[in-house]
Amino acid sequence: DTGVSQNPRHKITKRGQNVTFRCDPISEHNRLYWYRQTLGQGPEFLTYFQNEAQLEKSRLLSDRFSAERPKGSFSTLEIQRTEQGDSAMYLCASSLAGTVEQYFGPGTRLTVT
Amino acid sequence: SQQGEEDPQALSIQEGENATMNCSYKTSINNLQWYRQNSGRGLVHLILIRSNEREKHSGRLRVTLDTSKKSSSLLITASRAADTASYFCATDGGSRSRLTFGEGTQLTVNP
Repeated sequence: DTGVSQNPRHKITKRGQNVTFRCDPISEHNRLYWYRQTLGQGPEFLTYFQNEAQLEKSRLLSDRFSAERPKGSFSTLEIQRTEQGDSAMYLCASSLAGTVEQYFGPGTRLTVT
Repeated sequence: SQQGEEDPQALSIQEGENATMNCSYKTSINNLQWYRQNSGRGLVHLILIRSNEREKHSGRLRVTLDTSKKSSSLLITASRAADTASYFCATDGGSRSRLTFGEGTQLTVNP
């Protein structure tokens, strides 16, 4: 069990550029979550998948954000036309359906200049 | 916006002392969890308490839950320098999926 992994760990981009992050969950976990965390705050829920279906999206997930989990395994989170306000840590977590503990990856820190 | 509030925002103690952190939330819950986050890293699950439980222990951790006051506390006994981290409570708000986190307590344990 290698845990939840996320790539890249750090991303610096210029405003207006598109970025994509990847999350690989624990292999037997069918639920996958994305959260965003800004400095000094707790994580905020963005969206979650059960298998390949995206079942819930937060209103924080604007039209510039899109997440996919095409085969029910890894997931990608894309941010189009990045803005400085998008600078944050993006956390991915996974769990088994029917359980409540979520296992978090190390996060991708995004800096938009 | 965050559902919960945590108190205190920051806590500094000496090694060997106990640390108590409090969390309040607003909606009904099925369970409440506590997570730890070391600087700049992901979160690690510590302990879960269900809405029909009042107290739970795990090693040096003790969690209490008062659903009538919508509050919980986390006690870490005999603290160690390695306990230095941010601690967050998280509730499910009745959902079986998303977690809603508090703003966290930054604990510093001085050797």
